[in-house]
Amino acid sequence: SQQGEEDPQALSIQEGENATMNCSYKTSINNLQWYRQNSGRGLVHLILIRSNEREKHSGRLRVTLDTSKKSSSLLITASRAADTASYFCATDYKLSFGAGTTVTVRA
Amino acid sequence: NAGVTQTPKFQVLKTGQSMTLQCAQDMNHNSMYWYRQDPGMGLRLIYYSASEGTTDKGEVPNGYNVSRLNKREFSLRLESAAPSQTSVYFCASSDRLDTEAFFGQGTRLTVV
Repeated sequence: SQQGEEDPQALSIQEGENATMNCSYKTSINNLQWYRQNSGRGLVHLILIRSNEREKHSGRLRVTLDTSKKSSSLLITASRAADTASYFCATDYKLSFGAGTTVTVRA
Repeated sequence: NAGVTQTPKFQVLKTGQSMTLQCAQDMNHNSMYWYRQDPGMGLRLIYYSASEGTTDKGEVPNGYNVSRLNKREFSLRLESAAPSQTSVYFCASSDRLDTEAFFGQGTRLTVV
């Protein structure tokens, strides 16, 4: 089974709103990564958070990590149409991915 | 800088045919991966190579073989293609198993 599982499966928001998605995983990790996939393209790395970090920012992205709950969240603030994509988390256990969250940003 | 290059981009096979998907990276990365992506299933790891000379099974290895030809190249072989192997295949590479991975643009494979 997949190491990381994202929730929700799909998310539709208005441009300018924030988007939050969650990731749960099963085993102990050294780090967790988030990736974006635009339709039909390869994945692009967004951010990596280490197990000793609780929160990390990169531009409009904010990632949190709770190792006691084996969960992480990705927040995209002030969303834009260009943020429409699928988002995946991956643990460092064989770089295993979940099924992803599909985000649609409406104009 | 090409990054990760996959060939071919598209392929149609008949059931029972064999083929090899090629992947090459020019970033001097140690680790390489093969995934398949089906609708609604996310990416599932087929095989990975932590370093040159090693390969290990991922989540869905049945029906596939891999070769880490050298540090740059990691190929995926389908010996006898089946319709269930219709999918989009992605190759990726990273410096180590726990660092940022770079993905190719994918190979869309249809088995009829």
